[in-house]
Amino acid sequence: QSVLTQPPSVSGAPGQRVTISCTGSSSNIGAGYDVHWYQQLPGTAPKLLIYVNNNRPSGVPDRFSGSKSGTSASLAISGLQAEDEADYYCQSYDTSLSALYVFGTGTKVTVL
Amino acid sequence: QAQLVESGGGVVQPGTSLRLSCAGSGFTFSTYDMHWVRQAPGKGLEWAAVISHDGSYKNYGDSVKGRFTISRDNFRNTLYLQMNSLRSGDTAVYYCARGGVGGSPRALDIWGQGTMVTVSS
Repeated sequence: QSVLTQPPSVSGAPGQRVTISCTGSSSNIGAGYDVHWYQQLPGTAPKLLIYVNNNRPSGVPDRFSGSKSGTSASLAISGLQAEDEADYYCQSYDTSLSALYVFGTGTKVTVL
Repeated sequence: QAQLVESGGGVVQPGTSLRLSCAGSGFTFSTYDMHWVRQAPGKGLEWAAVISHDGSYKNYGDSVKGRFTISRDNFRNTLYLQMNSLRSGDTAVYYCARGGVGGSPRALDIWGQGTMVTVSS
C-alpha cells in the first residue's frame, strides 16, 4: 500500500472548483521532499501536471494549481471541464521504506 | 520533441524471464536519470526502479528487488528492465519515464506509451 493517501474519488459540475488531497507523513512530504502531480486520461500514459509543489509545465492550463503544507499537499482544479475527467496521482520521495519514490493512491475526478 | 518508446512486453509463464526496452529520442539521453513505473490492471501507479544518468546508481521497489535489474546503454539511448522469476503479480503495463524536472525528487516529465506484460500459465 502507498504511504501517500488520496481520496478515491472527487466530483464536480462543469465550472466548479475541486481539490484533491495527498496526505503523507514526516518521512516523505513532512521531511521537505517535493510533491509532483500527474494526470492520467483513460487508456493513456500519465502526464506531468504540477512539479515541485506548485509549478506547471508548459502547456498545462493555469486552472491547475498545487500547494504543500506540513505533511500534505493539494491539487486544485478550477473551472472544471469535461476533459479534466481523469485519474490524478501525487508523487514524492520517502525515506522510511526502501521504495524511495512513492505515488499516491490515486483519485478519480468525475465531471458531473 | 522528447520521446520514449517501450517494447518487449508480452504474455509469459510464471517463473520465466522477459526484458523490456525503452528507446529515448529528441533529448540528450545520457544526462537524465531514468525510471520504470508499472500499473496493474485497474490499479494505481507503482514505482519499480531508477537508474542514474551514468548507470552508477540503481534502486528498486520492494516488490521487484532481487528479481528485476535496471540498466542502460547511453550509446544506444536505450533503457532496459530485465525481469526474472516473473509472478502473476507482475502483470501490468510498464512505463519508462525520464527524471527530468528539478526538485527532490525530480519529477517524471516524459513518459512512454507503456508496454503490457502478462504473466499467466
